[in-house]
Amino acid sequence: GAVVSQHPSWVICKSGTSVKIECRSLDFQATTMFWYRQFPKQSLMLMATSNEGSKATYEQGVEKDKFLINHASLTLSTLTVTSAHPEDSSFYICSAWDRGHQPQHFGDGTRLSIL
Amino acid sequence: DQQVKQNSPSLSVQEGRISILNCDYTNSMFDYFLWYKKYPAEGPTFLISISSIKDKNEDGRFTVFLNKSAKHLSLHIVPSQPGDSAVYFCAASKTTDSWGKLQFGAGTQVVVTP
Repeated sequence: GAVVSQHPSWVICKSGTSVKIECRSLDFQATTMFWYRQFPKQSLMLMATSNEGSKATYEQGVEKDKFLINHASLTLSTLTVTSAHPEDSSFYICSAWDRGHQPQHFGDGTRLSIL
Repeated sequence: DQQVKQNSPSLSVQEGRISILNCDYTNSMFDYFLWYKKYPAEGPTFLISISSIKDKNEDGRFTVFLNKSAKHLSLHIVPSQPGDSAVYFCAASKTTDSWGKLQFGAGTQVVVTP
């Protein structure tokens, strides 16, 4: 089946640091990649949608300058949490989708802890 | 505004018995529905899906039923196995949405006991 690789799986860093998370589709071309955030015991909250070669579309309430998304190729999207603070600590998950071919396939997520 | 709702946060079932997970939606434009399974610290794994032109889809131990008039779908797992213990998310999308965005429910934690 389709494989989506997300890296790193766990990050611990100091407040004020910027953190980059990578999401790669390994065996298919992802026309669209999605970034989600999940708080403990809650659902997946869509943060943004990115299409290859174009600007990401952010959901209401998500700061685009805080969460920078780049989707430079059909197999790679990155999420950069800029100047991270403790309230940014969360579980971030990406998914990749080949347009017209459901379902979305998810990475294993990144646990981000800001001290 | 939660358009996909899973009103049961948890479900405990005995091994070998049937697990029934429920999901309700409010947006009549949704026409494609999916169930994902998620273990802690991992991403969701796709289980099964159903298009609105069908009312049932079966894959091994998993069956999804869709009642469009009631805007309700359910996932049946039979027989339940200890490895089925996980959080199950219901998700919905509109095929007219060219970006394929999914709306997720809050999830149901399933615990299968021996």
